[in-house]
Amino acid sequence: GQQVMQIPQYQHVQEGEDFTTYCNSSTTLSNIQWYKQRPGGHPVFLIQLVKSGEVKKQKRLTFQFGEAKKNSSLHITATQTTDVGTYFCAGRKVDNRKLIWGLGTSLAVNP
Amino acid sequence: DAGVIQSPRHEVTEMGQEVTLRCKPISGHNSLFWYRQTMMRGLELLIYFNNNVPIDDSGMPEDRFSAKMPNASFSTLKIQPSEPRDSAVYFCASSTHQGLSGYTFGSGTRLTVV
Repeated sequence: GQQVMQIPQYQHVQEGEDFTTYCNSSTTLSNIQWYKQRPGGHPVFLIQLVKSGEVKKQKRLTFQFGEAKKNSSLHITATQTTDVGTYFCAGRKVDNRKLIWGLGTSLAVNP
Repeated sequence: DAGVIQSPRHEVTEMGQEVTLRCKPISGHNSLFWYRQTMMRGLELLIYFNNNVPIDDSGMPEDRFSAKMPNASFSTLKIQPSEPRDSAVYFCASSTHQGLSGYTFGSGTRLTVV
C-alpha cells in the first residue's frame, strides 16, 4: 500500500496567496525529493533533502525535511499562475534504493 | 543536452497487439527507470537498470511486460499482448549515482489500447 501520504490532494488558490503541501511517511527516510509536473507534462526534479531538519529555498519555494526524517513540506509564497501543476514528493527508505512516490498535490491558481 | 528522449509520444493500438516503447537516457547517466502513470495509481515504478543490468523488476505487472537495455544509450519496454487496462502514460527516467540523485524524466509515451 501507499507508504508516503501527501496532503492535500487538490488546492485551489487566488494568485498571490500562499500554498503548502505536506508529505508524511510511515517509516524513516534517508532522503526525500520533490518534483513538479505541469498539466500534460512530465515530472521535473526540484530538490533533494537529506539532513534532519533541513530547510532549502528556491526563490518563492521553501522545502523542509522533518527532524525525524518522516515528513516534509513544500511552501510557495505568493503563488503565480506559473506555479500551476502537480507537486510530488518521493521518499527513499533507509533500507531501500527505490523511491516511494506520493500521489501528488494538484495546485490550481486563479489569476 | 537533449534530455531523456522517448518515442513514440503517442501510441494507439488494438487490444492484442504488441507495443514497444523506446528510451534514450542522458549520456553519462548510469541508472534508467521505467514508470507508468495513471490517475488511479499515480506513478508506479515498473523496472530499473543500473549500468544496463536490471536490478528490480518487481513492479512489472505481469509476464506480458518485458524490458531490455542492450547498451547504455537505449532501452525498450514491450507489452505483448496489450490490453485496454495497459492504457497509461509511460515515462522513462535516468539518473546518476545509481539513482540516488534526482531523476530526469522523458516526455512520456501516452498509450491507448482500444
